[in-house]
Amino acid sequence: SQQGEEDPQALSIQEGENATMNCSYKTSINNLQWYRQNSGRGLVHLILIRSNEREKHSGRLRVTLDTSKKSSSLLITASRAADTASYFCATSSTGRRALTFGSGTRLQVQP
Amino acid sequence: SAVISQKPSRDICQRGTSLTIQCQVDSQVTMMFWYRQQPGQSLTLIATANQGSEATYESGFVIDKFPISRPNLTFSTLTVSNMSPEDSSIYLCSVEAQGAGGPGTGELFFGEGSRLTVL
Repeated sequence: SQQGEEDPQALSIQEGENATMNCSYKTSINNLQWYRQNSGRGLVHLILIRSNEREKHSGRLRVTLDTSKKSSSLLITASRAADTASYFCATSSTGRRALTFGSGTRLQVQP
Repeated sequence: SAVISQKPSRDICQRGTSLTIQCQVDSQVTMMFWYRQQPGQSLTLIATANQGSEATYESGFVIDKFPISRPNLTFSTLTVSNMSPEDSSIYLCSVEAQGAGGPGTGELFFGEGSRLTVL
């Protein structure tokens, strides 16, 4: 069953603006990850944050995790047209090596 | 990292036929995962394929409909049997990253997917 719900479902911004996507999940996790998917192709791993971490950065990406609220956010700063894609959060839980994916956010960055 | 090749990349199939999707990895991996992504939707795990044992299917997916083979540590196939238009999806093969992340951290590498359209 799908673990995470993401909002917004779709987001349209101008190049240079920041994009924030949120993910909520239901059960205890080992880690939470974010993936990007361009036009229905394969997914690319962006960043992983462990359950004992609260914030993580990678380039223009900033991820936060609040395990008390069972939620995470992905911030993309200074967005570019090339960031246009669907973004999915995915959770890893104890005893389950396969990831459970959220519903996804479709990001459109207008040049 | 792992490089995953999937074949076919896309196909148009007739109702009632079956199609086998191949997944080749450039390194030996313990577990391979097959996901389905229906149009405009998120990914749903079909099954986990281990070498030398039966695949483990998720609720709602059965072996008769989605038989899986895993003959060695670098290759797997997923067959979509007796297809109907509802099977039109992208089917994705993935493997867990080895090395720094270590088994069980859950970071996945994905193939480019096989987009099936069933008429």
